[in-house]
Amino acid sequence: AQKITQTQPGMFVQEKEAVTLDCTYDTSDPSYGLFWYKQPSSGEMIFLIYQGSYDQQNATEGRYSLNFQKARKSANLVISASQLGDSAMYFCAMRESQSYNTDKLIFGTGTRLQVFP
Amino acid sequence: GAGVSQTPSNKVTEKGKYVELRCDPISGHTALYWYRQSLGQGPEFLIYFQGTGAADDSGLPNDRFFAVRPEGSVSTLKIQRTERGDSAVYLCASSPGSTTGELFFGEGSRLTVL
Repeated sequence: AQKITQTQPGMFVQEKEAVTLDCTYDTSDPSYGLFWYKQPSSGEMIFLIYQGSYDQQNATEGRYSLNFQKARKSANLVISASQLGDSAMYFCAMRESQSYNTDKLIFGTGTRLQVFP
Repeated sequence: GAGVSQTPSNKVTEKGKYVELRCDPISGHTALYWYRQSLGQGPEFLIYFQGTGAADDSGLPNDRFFAVRPEGSVSTLKIQRTERGDSAVYLCASSPGSTTGELFFGEGSRLTVL
């Protein structure tokens, strides 16, 4: 069965420093998509970044980059130059292989990031 | 507004009561999803609509849960004979229909069953 694992319940980082949030996944399908979402205290999930399993390069979106290591089945999120507004829950997710024509996602349990001055 | 709107934002009900949660997606988005997020967990898929039809309802936990989207826009999630275990945040998301993975979520409806 497909599964997303986030082993860090909480992380702290000082403002302006970089931080890595871990994500490992399990799937037997050769074609899949990986995502990161941010959930601030308001509750709204905000899309950050996407990586396709066949993408040759790691995805980047502004201060966010995805460290995709296919052989290790990991898709860690790197946030550079952390800001106080980055404090939130972060969820790693995977598109189900049987649902490749939809956006039906499997989410991990999340990591709470706290940025301090 | 321009985003996904969910009402009510908070609902407290008694065990056994009937509840409706409403989702107003972004205009023009053909795909609509309902997810449920229990405390300390990530969202779990409930049901997906493409237009008016439920394309995938495999995540609905039992027949007490039902959702409709009669005109292909607003959707209502209906829960009959609520149980304490139904307490969670119910998240709605919409997308243009292309599979980009970028779901646009509302702020959720927090349901508490006493």
